[in-house]
Amino acid sequence: DAGITQSPRHKVTETGTPVTLRCHQTENHRYMYWYRQDPGHGLRLIHYSYGVKDTDKGEVSDGYSVSRSKTEDFLLTLESATSSQTSVYFCAISGDLIETQYFGPGTRLLVL
Amino acid sequence: SQQGEEDPQALSIQEGENATMNCSYKTSINNLQWYRQNSGRGLVHLILIRSNEREKHSGRLRVTLDTSKKSSSLLITASRAADTASYFCATDALNTPLVFGKGTRLSVIA
Repeated sequence: DAGITQSPRHKVTETGTPVTLRCHQTENHRYMYWYRQDPGHGLRLIHYSYGVKDTDKGEVSDGYSVSRSKTEDFLLTLESATSSQTSVYFCAISGDLIETQYFGPGTRLLVL
Repeated sequence: SQQGEEDPQALSIQEGENATMNCSYKTSINNLQWYRQNSGRGLVHLILIRSNEREKHSGRLRVTLDTSKKSSSLLITASRAADTASYFCATDALNTPLVFGKGTRLSVIA
């Protein structure tokens, strides 16, 4: 998976609890992305980062925040998880905004 | 939205047959990319075609792009059971991230 890891790979949590997902890359790519994938919706961009401390919102950013304090790490935080945030979350990286993206293995999140 | 839309949503073929899936989009693009996703895995890049290209090949894959019709097609020749996966097109425009379609689920029956 092109030097991208995601942790945890699976998580079950309760409504209202905070959750943080981590994406770690060893490729030194500038861009990092968080997507969610749901049946019938395909892949939707939550947030992306174009450098340390530089982030921007995607299509479905409400309820999510991100941070990037190091080139290799991109964190996605659900401040107060809701059942609608049950999904599979993918991290991706790329060297430039329109270049090929390389995806991590995904994190399955279940919010009860 | 410039989101690409794949057609058909699902496709089932016999091993050895060719599989064709299409992608339509709404606004001008720089590049169009195709990705594959095996069940339970992350997406894997297959091929990128630039807006000034009309056709591109990679092994058993053939991609065409018609910017006048805002559409692309992905042809997989002599399909194998291992080609069973979902296939996504992704489009971009100046200074915007890729936008992925909802995908075509391909089943290749041995």
